[in-house]
Amino acid sequence: GQSLEQPSEVTAVEGAIVQMNCTYQTSGFYGLSWYQQHDGGAPTFLSYNALDGLEETGRFSSFLSRSDSYGYLLLQELQMKDSASYFCAASYNTDKLIFGTGTRLQVFP
Amino acid sequence: KAGVTQTPRYLIKTRGQQVTLSCSPISGHRSVSWYQQTPGQGLQFLFEYFSETQRNKGNFPGRFSGRQFSNSRSEMNVSTLELGDSALYLCASSLAEEEQFFGPGTRLTVL
Repeated sequence: GQSLEQPSEVTAVEGAIVQMNCTYQTSGFYGLSWYQQHDGGAPTFLSYNALDGLEETGRFSSFLSRSDSYGYLLLQELQMKDSASYFCAASYNTDKLIFGTGTRLQVFP
Repeated sequence: KAGVTQTPRYLIKTRGQQVTLSCSPISGHRSVSWYQQTPGQGLQFLFEYFSETQRNKGNFPGRFSGRQFSNSRSEMNVSTLELGDSALYLCASSLAEEEQFFGPGTRLTVL
């Protein structure tokens, strides 16, 4: 089936850089999205990669390697407000968006 | 532009009852998807509607159903509720599949 794997938790300190990984099933894969969800809040869209390489949006960057069925979200200059859960989500030719189980990021002062 | 709205925000039901949740998408969005979120399982895809037609369905039992109206508003129904149906139910609307706009969710508790 189509499933995505993410580490369950990552911790880092303010000002640091953190990378959160995601591996996905290749068959029928179109692209990889990333979402942020704060406790008690709704997921919000961060980025989308359909092609190999790095996409940068301010402090957030997302990377995709189709040959490795792998992507990551990179957060720079971490702030306390970045503490949240981060989900990768893969688009497939079945027109479904399949979410990973999420990585919980905790930022410490 | 108003965001996705969901009603009610909280619901408490007992086993065996049924429940209907409502979702109003962002104006102009014709695709509405529903997800179930639980602490251990993350976001699980329930179904997607586009122009009043179910376009996709996840791996949930037939107790879970939905529909979409001509104004793109959508409802989902869960019949014969079970304890395991307790979850946050999220609705999302989109113009493009990869960028979904989520509502605040309906937190359902089944006792």
